[in-house]
Amino acid sequence: ILNVEQSPQSLHVQEGDSTNFTCSFPSSNFYALHWYRWETAKSPEALFVMTLNGDEKKKGRISATLNTKEGYSYLYIKGSQPEDSATYLCAPFYNQGGKLIFGQGTELSVKP
Amino acid sequence: EAQVTQNPRYLITVTGKKLTVTCSQNMNHEYMSWYRQDPGLGLRQIYYSMNVEVTDKGDVPEGYKVSRKEKRNFPLILESPSPNQTSLYFCASSFTIFAGTDTQYFGPGTRLTVL
Repeated sequence: ILNVEQSPQSLHVQEGDSTNFTCSFPSSNFYALHWYRWETAKSPEALFVMTLNGDEKKKGRISATLNTKEGYSYLYIKGSQPEDSATYLCAPFYNQGGKLIFGQGTELSVKP
Repeated sequence: EAQVTQNPRYLITVTGKKLTVTCSQNMNHEYMSWYRQDPGLGLRQIYYSMNVEVTDKGDVPEGYKVSRKEKRNFPLILESPSPNQTSLYFCASSFTIFAGTDTQYFGPGTRLTVL
């Protein structure tokens, strides 16, 4: 089973702080990386799908970068707001096996 | 509204009593999947289906069964539930899985407790 690591496991920041967290994954046979946002008592929702080395995606104050050669992705949140509080999941997709492998998530808490 | 629905949302049951968790999507998606979420672990895939009548085991299939008789429905069956199946379950669907870039849409989750 492929190992997908997300760090840190949890993060507590103040409103207005910018923050980032990491997803590390095996780069062999890698095809695409998905980021999902999961709010408590709701379902995970897709944020980004990235495939190309050096790819960068942005949605409002949230952005993500991808390094396929070394097998990592960063998620950045600029000027965190309380509504950003959620667990952020990354999931690489591999050509072999044909499925998403989810990391354990980074739980973000933003205090007003 | 495009969505994945699951029922029930919450269930408390006893060891050995067969149960079914239903999952339905209205987006004409070919791919459907069941995951379980446990504290400290990522979403782990139980079973998946590429299309009608095509199902396969995921990473943690023991103690579960599925069927895909219609494109929209993908029920999860626990023939003889045990306490180690206490978990939060998610059903998800996507148009396909082959491209690797299709977003998965998740249902609202079913919190199951087996006593």
